[in-house]
Amino acid sequence: GIQVEQSPPDLILQEGANSTLRCNFSDSVNNLQWFHQNPWGQLINLFYIPSGTKQNGRLSATTVATERYSLLYISSSQTTDSGVYFCAVEGSGGSNYKLTFGKGTLLTVNP
Amino acid sequence: NAGVTQTPKFQVLKTGQSMTLQCAQDMNHNSMYWYRQDPGMGLRLIYYSASEGTTDKGEVPNGYNVSRLNKREFSLRLESAAPSQTSVYFCASSETGNTIYFGEGSWLTVV
Repeated sequence: GIQVEQSPPDLILQEGANSTLRCNFSDSVNNLQWFHQNPWGQLINLFYIPSGTKQNGRLSATTVATERYSLLYISSSQTTDSGVYFCAVEGSGGSNYKLTFGKGTLLTVNP
Repeated sequence: NAGVTQTPKFQVLKTGQSMTLQCAQDMNHNSMYWYRQDPGMGLRLIYYSASEGTTDKGEVPNGYNVSRLNKREFSLRLESAAPSQTSVYFCASSETGNTIYFGEGSWLTVV
């Protein structure tokens, strides 16, 4: 099946700093989503972005499908950004409707 | 709008006991999913249902059964719980190939 690798595995920032999280995938994809899991375990969908660029406030994401990677940018980080960020993909050549998750990036934003 | 609702939130089972995790969504989505999350493993798909009346195995189906009761409800059953099934379980739903929405999770401990 498709492989998803996220980097870095851990990231510690001071409040106000910017960061870039990366997601590499091993095959072409129909679907790519970014999620934030907060410290209470809740999973929130950030972006549905199989290709192109999207922005939502301080967060933006870019997927370069031909190069098989996606980037999540967090600007002016806040303590509430802390948590785990997951990338999930659905391969275009395999079974439908099944997202494969990376292992996540643990982000800690210190005040 | 409740989104995806799953019950129970917490459960402790003895090895060999059975239980059913319930999930319901009110977004009229066709696709529903059950994932488990273990430390350092990201989320792994147990079973999914692409539409009412259909179910299919995911990455880690052994020890589980599912029922797509109707379009709204998708239950996960553990027939004979084992300590290896101690995990956090997430139900999710989506319109086919689109943004996926998660429930708040069910923390299951098997002793």
